[in-house]
Amino acid sequence: QVQLVQSGAEVKKPGASVKISCKASGYTFSSHSIHWVRQAPGQRLEWMAWYIPVDGNTKYSRKFQGRVTLTRDTPASTDFMELSSLTSEDTAVYYCARESLAFGSSFRFDPWGQGTLVTVSS
Amino acid sequence: DVQMTQSPSSLSASVGHRITIACRASQIISNNLNWYQQKPGKAPKLLIFATSTLQSGVPSRFSGSGSGTDFTLTISSLQPEDFATYYCQQSFVVPLTFGGGTRVEIK
Repeated sequence: QVQLVQSGAEVKKPGASVKISCKASGYTFSSHSIHWVRQAPGQRLEWMAWYIPVDGNTKYSRKFQGRVTLTRDTPASTDFMELSSLTSEDTAVYYCARESLAFGSSFRFDPWGQGTLVTVSS
Repeated sequence: DVQMTQSPSSLSASVGHRITIACRASQIISNNLNWYQQKPGKAPKLLIFATSTLQSGVPSRFSGSGSGTDFTLTISSLQPEDFATYYCQQSFVVPLTFGGGTRVEIK
């Protein structure tokens, strides 16, 4: 079945960077975009960024522009999201989520990874 | 950015009852509205896309309606496994945005 498996929880100090992986299986990896969404404690889901495999392009929320980097290892069917200059406000669960439409942009997400908790604390 | 507002933020209901959750967008988003269910400690799950289309495998007691700026999610007969938090999401324009969530609790 289609599945996204993310890397484990991380604890980082303010100012550091974190890199989260998202390994896909059960479908043709190159045919679907991967989006990144985060959820701070008690907060709503927040869309961060989007990797477009057709042209290798990436789109970012203005809020994260300059701090987020998305990369892809196609042979390993794995996407990565790196967030830099961490502050306590970046403490959240980070999700990768697959665009439902192959070679398209419906902007509906199915499935999601299990989530990766990132804790930023001095 | 398109702001998404859900109401109520929480509700209590009994098994078998019908509930409705509202979602309002700050601008017209046509029918580009999705609904997700999230249980504690789990990732969101897509329930409904394009306002009213049920994702494969989702029970028919779930339905969605609306257009423009106002949308609703209805559960016709609440089941024990439906107690969760529900989020709407606009898929009209980037940045994609979500509502604040509606927590459905057992009465």
